[in-house]
Amino acid sequence: DGGITQSPKYLFRKEGQNVTLSCEQNLNHDAMYWYRQDPGQGLRLIYYSQIVNDFQKGDIAEGYSVSREKKESFPLTVTSAQKNPTAFYLCASSPPRGTTNEKLFFGSGTQLSVL
Amino acid sequence: RKEVEQDPGPFNVPEGATVAFNCTYSNSASQSFFWYRQDCRKEPKLLMSVYSSGNEDGRFTAQLNRASQYISLLIRDSKLSDSATYLCVVRGNTGGFKTIFGAGTRLFVKA
Repeated sequence: DGGITQSPKYLFRKEGQNVTLSCEQNLNHDAMYWYRQDPGQGLRLIYYSQIVNDFQKGDIAEGYSVSREKKESFPLTVTSAQKNPTAFYLCASSPPRGTTNEKLFFGSGTQLSVL
Repeated sequence: RKEVEQDPGPFNVPEGATVAFNCTYSNSASQSFFWYRQDCRKEPKLLMSVYSSGNEDGRFTAQLNRASQYISLLIRDSKLSDSATYLCVVRGNTGGFKTIFGAGTRLFVKA
């Protein structure tokens, strides 16, 4: 079945450590997104990518980095510069704007916690 | 000003009530609009796309007013299972596919 896979489901980070969250899709979507959600809050955009080898900062990109070397993959690295990384991270992809099913397809999320 | 703003909530309503959610967006160039529903600690699910002509899906009605940059969602005859957070989502024209979520409005439907 087509979809988006995020891993791991739970991740723990030590102080000063970089960690990478995986996001893979087999939907053949060009656009991919990373969002952060804090308890009781909405989703805030970290980074997004329209096409391979291109990505744009969202509203809260500081302390994060991404790459888009393959269409299927959009990993997110939470660097040691992100001082408050504990949150629920959601990856999404979408078909081009104007298609009949122009919705975001989400992974099931990764809960990141600091040890 | 936030790009997408929603009623802060939470809304507490009895079963059978009609409840309305409001949302405003700041970027007049925005092109696509959606309502998503999110249950606790789950990924958001698309509830409805929103069109200028308005659209209805069973008990749910969505409206878009481009002149006022305003989006609404109406739930009639609310059910216990409607309890969730409702997220307003706006997709831009500039910056490609930038998609912004509102903070969400929590709904509690009680028996």
